[in-house]
Amino acid sequence: AQSVAQPEDQVNVAEGNPLTVKCTYSVSGNPYLFWYVQYPNRGLQFLLKYITGDNLVKGSYGFEAEFNKSQTSFHLKKPSALVSDSALYFCAVRDGGPGGYQKVTFGIGTKLHVIP
Amino acid sequence: EAGVAQSPRYKIIEKRQSVAFWCNPISGHATLYWYQQILGQGPKLLIQFQNNGVVDDSQLPKDRFSAERLKGVDSTLKIQPAKLEDSAVYLCASSLIGGRTHSGNTIYFGEGSWLTVV
Repeated sequence: AQSVAQPEDQVNVAEGNPLTVKCTYSVSGNPYLFWYVQYPNRGLQFLLKYITGDNLVKGSYGFEAEFNKSQTSFHLKKPSALVSDSALYFCAVRDGGPGGYQKVTFGIGTKLHVIP
Repeated sequence: EAGVAQSPRYKIIEKRQSVAFWCNPISGHATLYWYQQILGQGPKLLIQFQNNGVVDDSQLPKDRFSAERLKGVDSTLKIQPAKLEDSAVYLCASSLIGGRTHSGNTIYFGEGSWLTVV
């Protein structure tokens, strides 16, 4: 069975500093990995995804994520945090290996708080 | 391009009452999903449609929840009778295709329907 772990309930970072939100995954085949952001009282917004190719994926709003197969991680990063980045971030995985249908599994979310 | 539309945005009902949520996916998206998001948790898939057929409803509490997608476009999720633990956000989402060979397709979410059962 596939799974996603977001080990930090909350991440605090000062505005202007780099930020990292951690995600590790477990799948039996090749992973398809996604990051979403959720602002208060809103739905989930797609940020970026890794399917294949370069391990560094660039997405919306200046975010990027690094796929590390040996560590089974897909950490979300941004060089300089903004107060407006404060939100709830979800990592998700889908197993791209052989076999039947596989649904997308979401992590429990990490709350990012950017301190002015 | 219009996004995933959902209504109503907010609903408060008493336990044992019924409620229905409506969703219109992004035009051309064959796959439609209903997720339940309880406060403090990640989204949990309730049901997935491919066109108007059900692909996965393994986590749908079928004794009280039902969903349909007539004509392969709009969808309705119904809860009857509601319980206190059904208080959550119900997220509708869509993607081009959600099958094995298209596992990398992005899922796009609506704004959600916020349900409070009292």
